[in-house]
Amino acid sequence: GNSVTQMEGPVTLSEEAFLTINCTYTATGYPSLFWYVQYPGEGLQLLLKATKADDKGSNKGFEATYRKETTSFHLEKGSVQVSDSAVYFCALGDYKLSFGAGTTVTVRA
Amino acid sequence: EAGVTQSPTHLIKTRGQQATLRCSPISGHTSVYWYQQALGLGLQFLLWYDEGEERNRGNFPPRFSGRQFPNYSSELNVNALELEDSALYLCASSARTGGPWEAFFGQGTRLTVV
Repeated sequence: GNSVTQMEGPVTLSEEAFLTINCTYTATGYPSLFWYVQYPGEGLQLLLKATKADDKGSNKGFEATYRKETTSFHLEKGSVQVSDSAVYFCALGDYKLSFGAGTTVTVRA
Repeated sequence: EAGVTQSPTHLIKTRGQQATLRCSPISGHTSVYWYQQALGLGLQFLLWYDEGEERNRGNFPPRFSGRQFPNYSSELNVNALELEDSALYLCASSARTGGPWEAFFGQGTRLTVV
């Protein structure tokens, strides 16, 4: 079945550092791919999405490219801020969302 | 436009009791999904309702059940509560348009079983 494997954390960074969170998937067909973010004490929010191969999703300085050849959807941000501290989930969507385990990111000032 | 709303925000039950969690989807959305976020276990798919029917369920025992009402709101019922049912339960809704879709999540219900 469809599944997502996500880089495990926790990840601790200094402000303005580069962030990468790896995500690979296994799927039949051509699912949509998503990154969700969960800030402390809040529910999940959609961060970005890509619906087909080579699509690049972007939002709030974060980017991820749907790579069919490597079955990957890695999340990147060039310069993180303390406010980016959160748990990030990679997800694959067909009739439901299949989530990765989540990566806790802490950004220190 | 109102987002996905869940009630109650917090719920404390004792082992063996039943819990009922409620979800109101975004207006116009017909699909409702339930997920369990237990500590250390990530997000696990529980149930999917669409147009009043259960379309799929995750790997959970039958004491996890629910329903979707004609107005597309949904209830999740957990019977014979066990301590390990303590978790954040998230509801999400989506609309199928024939193309790409995305699910919007509520804030969740924190269920604590003591």
